[in-house]
Amino acid sequence: DVVMTQSPLILPVTLGQSASISCTSSQSLVFSDGNIYLNWFQQRPGQSPRRLIYKVSNRDSGVPDRFSGSGSGTDFTLKITRVEPEDVGVYYCMQGSHKYTFGQGTRLEIK
Amino acid sequence: EVQLLESGGNLVRPGGSLRLSCEASGFTFRTYTMNWVRQPPGKGLEWVSSITNTATTTFYADSVKGRFTISRDNSKATVSLQMNGLRTEDTAVYYCTKGAQFGDWGQGTPVIVSS
Repeated sequence: DVVMTQSPLILPVTLGQSASISCTSSQSLVFSDGNIYLNWFQQRPGQSPRRLIYKVSNRDSGVPDRFSGSGSGTDFTLKITRVEPEDVGVYYCMQGSHKYTFGQGTRLEIK
Repeated sequence: EVQLLESGGNLVRPGGSLRLSCEASGFTFRTYTMNWVRQPPGKGLEWVSSITNTATTTFYADSVKGRFTISRDNSKATVSLQMNGLRTEDTAVYYCTKGAQFGDWGQGTPVIVSS
């Protein structure tokens, strides 16, 4: 099974500053169709998760352009610029190339 | 607007059974893979099961294989999860999600397995 490892697990950030979350997979996420099914989700306190990014770097509708995804092979990054109070929550990466596996989650908090 | 409405969560004894349902609206249900994801209290997300659009193929996490069964009714735009042989470690909020890459999520339904 594919293991997804996120770091850091807790991310204190000053408002207005940038934040980065790393996600590493235990094997290549290139699917047979050539796509890389690596997604990022945000879960605000008390809410259901929502997808922010799909296939590494594609933003979902309504997601601010402060959020961006990058990476290839086994190493991926979610970057948030100009962090706002509404960004507080837990962020998960998930691979969908070999069944499905989530990372442990990264809790973003305001310093 | 996509809506996914889960129901059926409850308190159940270990070894018992429960059937969760998810009613979908706002999209062409029959064209999408559907999934169940769960989240134990205070913990992270765990994929449980998926079913392709025509129900030809189903997938299960190892932790539930042989105990849970996913099904769908495209005429009613619903997806269900039959859970048998429930264990305390199955306690979680269960979410219904749309699409092969989980593009939309419901509000979740809680399942508590306890004696």
